[in-house]
Amino acid sequence: DQQVKQNSPSLSVQEGRISILNCDYTNSMFDYFLWYKKYPAEGPTFLISISSIKDKNEDGRFTVFLNKSAKHLSLHIVPSQPGDSAVYFCAARGGWEYGNKLVFGAGTILRVKS
Amino acid sequence: DAGVIQSPRHEVTEMGQEVTLRCKPISGHDYLFWYRQTMMRGLELLIYFNNNVPIDDSGMPEDRFSAKMPNASFSTLKIQPSEPRDSAVYFCASSLDRVNTEAFFGQGTRLTVV
Repeated sequence: DQQVKQNSPSLSVQEGRISILNCDYTNSMFDYFLWYKKYPAEGPTFLISISSIKDKNEDGRFTVFLNKSAKHLSLHIVPSQPGDSAVYFCAARGGWEYGNKLVFGAGTILRVKS
Repeated sequence: DAGVIQSPRHEVTEMGQEVTLRCKPISGHDYLFWYRQTMMRGLELLIYFNNNVPIDDSGMPEDRFSAKMPNASFSTLKIQPSEPRDSAVYFCASSLDRVNTEAFFGQGTRLTVV
C-alpha cells in the first residue's frame, strides 16, 4: 500500500525550461511534505519542504505547491539546469500518532538536456 | 559534524551468510531511520528509533532482519541469513527532533547477495 506515489518514473526537460515533478498521497493525516534530490552513489539530500497549512513554498529556483483537497503536491524547477539531473523523491510525514517517520515515493528521474 | 556515516559502502556476500550494516548518526539527533532502496519500491522505511528505542519496525520485511541501537551514536542492521532478494542499497538517516523533520542521509551501503 503505497501512501506516497510518484507516477512518472522519469522526466526529460530542456535546459532553461521548467521541470514539474508530481506527487500524490493518500493519507490525509500527513502534515508535512518534503522533496529530496539524489545523485548516483550518494544519499538523498533535502531540497525543500512545505507544511500542510501552506499551499506554496519557494526557495530560489525551486517551488513546491500543495493542493490538500486533491492530495497532490508538485515541485517546480525554473529554470532547469543540467546539474539538476538526479532522482527526486517526494516524502510525507504523519501527525503525532503517526510518529516522525517519513514515507517516500518511488522517485522520478529528471534529465535536463543542454 | 561529518554527517551520517555508514559502513561498509559496498558489501558482497554469499546467500545464507550473515550481513551487518553499521550507522553513526549525526551527534545530537534523536531519530534514526533505516531505509532500503530498490528499483521497484523506491525508498522503503524499514525501522526507526527515537532516543535509541525502536518505535516502528513494521517495514522490516522478515524475521531475518533485525536492528539495534545500543547507544545514541551507533546502530546496526543485521540480515541473517541473507538472500539474493535482499540485494539493494541500504540507507541510514537521522533527524534532530520531531519539529525539525529534515532527515540527513548517509551515503548508503550497496549490498549484493550472490
